[in-house]
Amino acid sequence: DAKTTQPTSMDCAEGRAANLPCNHSTISGNEYVYWYRQIHSQGPQYIIHGLKNNETNEMASLIITEDRKSSTLILPHATLRDTAVYYCIVRVVEAGNMLTFGGGTRLMVKP
Amino acid sequence: NAGVTQTPKFQVLKTGQSMTLQCAQDMNHEYMSWYRQDPGMGLRLIHYSVGAGITDQGEVPNGYNVSRSTTEDFPLRLLSAAPSQTSVYFCASSYGLAGYEQYFGPGTRLTVT
Repeated sequence: DAKTTQPTSMDCAEGRAANLPCNHSTISGNEYVYWYRQIHSQGPQYIIHGLKNNETNEMASLIITEDRKSSTLILPHATLRDTAVYYCIVRVVEAGNMLTFGGGTRLMVKP
Repeated sequence: NAGVTQTPKFQVLKTGQSMTLQCAQDMNHEYMSWYRQDPGMGLRLIHYSVGAGITDQGEVPNGYNVSRSTTEDFPLRLLSAAPSQTSVYFCASSYGLAGYEQYFGPGTRLTVT
């Protein structure tokens, strides 16, 4: 699986958009980009995933660059409950359902 | 649906003891996996299963055994507990391969003294 690079931590003001970057410059053509988050000590929670196109769901938007070497997770109106560690993961289809978690980005939403 | 359930929530073991962490899902998912998370770290894959009767090793399998006799259950056995196995253990399941989200259980917090 391709290695990802994320900032260790970020701050965001409540009500503003949180933009979390991820670099995956060695991504291959059949690897998906996934985002999960972990709030405090709970189990990780799926947010969104994509292959080439930008994606949006009720939680967030995922913007993938045209060359697929980086992506950005956007939380459009961050709330205090969005404070969590956010993991960007790229995964090859043939690897089953296993995920390789790196260090992630610790997002702190401040009032 | 209860989703993914794990028992116990907390456990303290002495070095050398054995125990089984339970994991069950009621979503008829074929894929299940076990991860451990050490303080301040990301998750590391221990073992996984792509269906009943089929298991394989992940990144850190030593000291752990798994079996998958039913679709619903995927227990993790610690053969002889060591302090290095003090961690939080998460079980996860998903319907299929890429494109399917993983559902995680609430975790089991294990301390080995």
